[in-house]
Amino acid sequence: AQTVTQSQPEMSVQEAETVTLSCTYDTSENNYYLFWYKQPPSRQMILVIRQEAYKQQNATENRFSVNFQKAAKSFSLKISDSQLGDTAMYFCAYVIQGAQKLVFGQGTRLTINP
Amino acid sequence: ETGVTQTPRHLVMGMTNKKSLKCEQHLGHNAMYWYKQSAKKPLELMFVYNFKEQTENNSVPSRFSPECPNSSHLFLHLHTLQPEDSALYLCASSQEGWLGANVLTFGAGSRLTVL
Repeated sequence: AQTVTQSQPEMSVQEAETVTLSCTYDTSENNYYLFWYKQPPSRQMILVIRQEAYKQQNATENRFSVNFQKAAKSFSLKISDSQLGDTAMYFCAYVIQGAQKLVFGQGTRLTINP
Repeated sequence: ETGVTQTPRHLVMGMTNKKSLKCEQHLGHNAMYWYKQSAKKPLELMFVYNFKEQTENNSVPSRFSPECPNSSHLFLHLHTLQPEDSALYLCASSQEGWLGANVLTFGAGSRLTVL
């Protein structure tokens, strides 16, 4: 069965610091996608970043970047120059290419302190 | 309005009530989803509709009844629920029903409390 594990239930950093959220996943598939979603207090899940498993280059979106280690089945999210608005639940998710079911981790609650 | 809109934002109901959750997307997408988000559990996929046809039912109890009259609207009809059904119900849509190249866009959810 495909599973996604986020080992850090909660994290807290100071504004402007860099923080890394961990995610590991388990799959026997070769073609898949990985995602990080953010859920702020407004509750709406927002896509932060997407990684295609066949691409070796790590995805980057402004202050957000990933460290994708396919052999280790690891997909961590790095947030640089963290801002108060980054305070949210962060969910790692996985989907087999072409499937309908996105498998989510349990989430990491990130708090950015002023 | 743009994006994915869910109503109501909050709902409190008794175990014998019948209520419905509504989701509407203004993105021109063809696939719509219901997810359940409970405390301390990963998001659980409930139903998927692709071009108005139900293509996934993730072993959801029959007290939850989905309806997708067109590609823009999705309902979740609720009847004789249990207190353990209290959760945040998230609606999502995607351009088409196969994910990866297509990504999910979520609504803000309906917070359901069953007394």
